[in-house]
Amino acid sequence: NAGVTQTPKFQVLKTGQSMTLQCAQDMNHNSMYWYRQDPGMGLRLIYYSASEGTTDKGEVPNGYNVSRLNKREFSLRLESAAPSQTSVYFCASRGPGMNTEAFFGQGTRLTVV
Amino acid sequence: KQEVTQIPAALSVPEGENLVLNCSFTDSAIYNLQWFRQDPGKGLTSLLLIQSSQREQTSGRLNASLDKSSGRSTLYIAASQPGDSATYLCAVLTMGDSNYQLIWGAGTKLIIKP
Repeated sequence: NAGVTQTPKFQVLKTGQSMTLQCAQDMNHNSMYWYRQDPGMGLRLIYYSASEGTTDKGEVPNGYNVSRLNKREFSLRLESAAPSQTSVYFCASRGPGMNTEAFFGQGTRLTVV
Repeated sequence: KQEVTQIPAALSVPEGENLVLNCSFTDSAIYNLQWFRQDPGKGLTSLLLIQSSQREQTSGRLNASLDKSSGRSTLYIAASQPGDSATYLCAVLTMGDSNYQLIWGAGTKLIIKP
């Protein structure tokens, strides 16, 4: 089982450049999430999608946009990268209901110089 | 606002010891609590999920407890091994503005010395 697949694994951007992080899951989950992880902090939610066609802001959405292309895919776009967006980004998905586990991708390590 | 704290931030113990990792949360209105493991440069792997109505869950050498009223959970690792070295994160599931949301602790980095 592939689970949750993220691409790319590593990326270096110059300030002001744009890029899209891709995420796909093959578990037929409705809910998908984008988090960022910074040293000494817990994961912080950027955006989430409760179902195909819907997206909502999380705790730290500024500077990001998302697209829920279909049930499988949820992409995160940085329109104009800033050094403050240097972080490790994780995509996750969950099945329906309260007591279902979350599954995570391997992460994208992004550096903005 | 729900806050999740994990203390200590790092822990180093000799192989073979039993150990306890702590997780505390400020609001007892949670649906469940989950423990995850993160290896360096990797994603997160779910270890145990404790529903709000449960007191504990066990998987192999791992046992997680939940005391909702006091806002605490512990992850007990028996007979620790070097392969247990990783960062352990806890997260509580709450209701956000319109959907379930996981609120995360910052993690405990565990090193098991051979």
